[in-house]
Amino acid sequence: DIQLTQSPSFLSASVGDRVTITCRASQGISNSLTWFQQKPGKAPKLLIYAASTLQSGVPSRFSGSGSGTEFTLTISSLQPEDFATYYCQQLYSYPLTFGGGTKVEIK
Amino acid sequence: EVQLVESGGGLIQPGGSLRLSCTASGFTVSSNHMAWVRQAPGKGLEWVSVIYTGGNTYYADSVKGRFTISRDNSRNTVNFQMSSLRAEDTAVYYCARARPSSLYLDQWGQGALVTVSS
Repeated sequence: DIQLTQSPSFLSASVGDRVTITCRASQGISNSLTWFQQKPGKAPKLLIYAASTLQSGVPSRFSGSGSGTEFTLTISSLQPEDFATYYCQQLYSYPLTFGGGTKVEIK
Repeated sequence: EVQLVESGGGLIQPGGSLRLSCTASGFTVSSNHMAWVRQAPGKGLEWVSVIYTGGNTYYADSVKGRFTISRDNSRNTVNFQMSSLRAEDTAVYYCARARPSSLYLDQWGQGALVTVSS
């Protein structure tokens, strides 16, 4: 199985900060990676697919990059509505694993 | 408007069976790959199963042989039959739709809570 390791697992930041979350795969997965945002009690929301393609309707302050084994999700200027937990998921091979999550909280 | 609504969750004893349904509106389930993802209380997301448009199915090792995903095109519904349930299956179960010709999950239901406990 492909393991996805997200870092950090917890992040404290202020509104306006630039935030970067990393997702490392245990083996190469090309660009078969998705990023989700989840708020408490809500379903996950697709942010980025194919590692760097912004889902329709998602603000442009979100961006994704990477290929192979290392990927990043960047929020260029953190907004109040961005405080949430973020997950990566690989779709390269079964089982389609998720990372452990990164919780972004207000400093 | 695309919408997914899960139903069928509840409290079930260990070893029991339960069927979840995911009713879609705004699109036809036969046109997209459909998946189930679960989240145990206070934990992260876990991919569980997918059914392709062509009917192929895949499962996480943790549920293989116990859970079955299927599709009812006449009702525009995806079903998830769960049997031999264990305490560790306790979770919110989300139904999700994949983007066309991909496995990227772009639409999600609100989730159905399954609690396995005596």
